[in-house]
Amino acid sequence: DIQMTQSPSTLSASVGDRVTITCRASQSISSWLAWYQQKPGKAPNLLIYKASILESGVPSRFSGSGSGTEFTLTISSLQPDDFATYYCQQYSSYSYTFGQGTKLEIK
Amino acid sequence: EVQLVESGGGLVQPGRSLRLSCAASGFIFDDYAMHWVRQIPEKGLEWVSGISKNGGRTGYADSVKGRFTISRDNAKNSLYLQMNSLRPEDTALYYCAKGDDFWSDYLGALDYWGQGSLVTVSS
Repeated sequence: DIQMTQSPSTLSASVGDRVTITCRASQSISSWLAWYQQKPGKAPNLLIYKASILESGVPSRFSGSGSGTEFTLTISSLQPDDFATYYCQQYSSYSYTFGQGTKLEIK
Repeated sequence: EVQLVESGGGLVQPGRSLRLSCAASGFIFDDYAMHWVRQIPEKGLEWVSGISKNGGRTGYADSVKGRFTISRDNAKNSLYLQMNSLRPEDTALYYCAKGDDFWSDYLGALDYWGQGSLVTVSS
C-alpha cells in the first residue's frame, strides 16, 4: 500500500500568517491527491482535489501544489476559522490512504 | 442537497458481526463511487473500503481485508459494510463518503460525508 507522510504533525501559527503543510507519498501518485479540513466533532470537508483544484465554495486563500510524491497545502493568510486538523489523501489506486494529519493551532 | 445517513452501529463483542448502512439522497447514486472511512475518536482518518458505481470493483484496507465486505444497492440508494470477526481495534466512528468524479468508475476524492456511525467492539 502507498504510505502518506504529513509534516508537521502540529503547527502553531497566528491569524494572518502564511502556512504550508507537506505531504509525501511512498511512491508516485501523479496528481491523485486530496486535502481535507476537519473540525472537532465534524466530518471532514474536501478542500482540494487532483492536488491543486479548489473545491467549490472553498476560500481562495487555500491552495495546493505538487505531483508525483511531494505535495503542499498552503493557506495564504490564516483566518480564525482555519484552525483545525488537515489531512492529505491519495486516491491513485483501489486502496486509498490518508496522511496522519496536521493540527493547526493558534499561537 | 446531498445527504448521507449512516446507521447500524453499536456495541458488539469481539468476534461478532455488524452491518452498517448508508442511505443516500440528493444525487444520482449510481453515478458515483462510494467509500467507508473510519476514525478512532481523537485520532486520524483511516480509509476502510470503496466500491465502484455498479459494484463491480471494490477495494479494502489491509487491516480489514478478508473480514469486511462492501456492497451497494443502487435501486435503494444504499451503501453497506458487512463487518465480520470484529476486533477491539475496529472500534471507531464509521463515515460513509461519496466519490467526487462523475467520469470515474472508482477513483476520486471524497466530496460529501455523513455524520458517522459509532462502532464499539468490546466484551
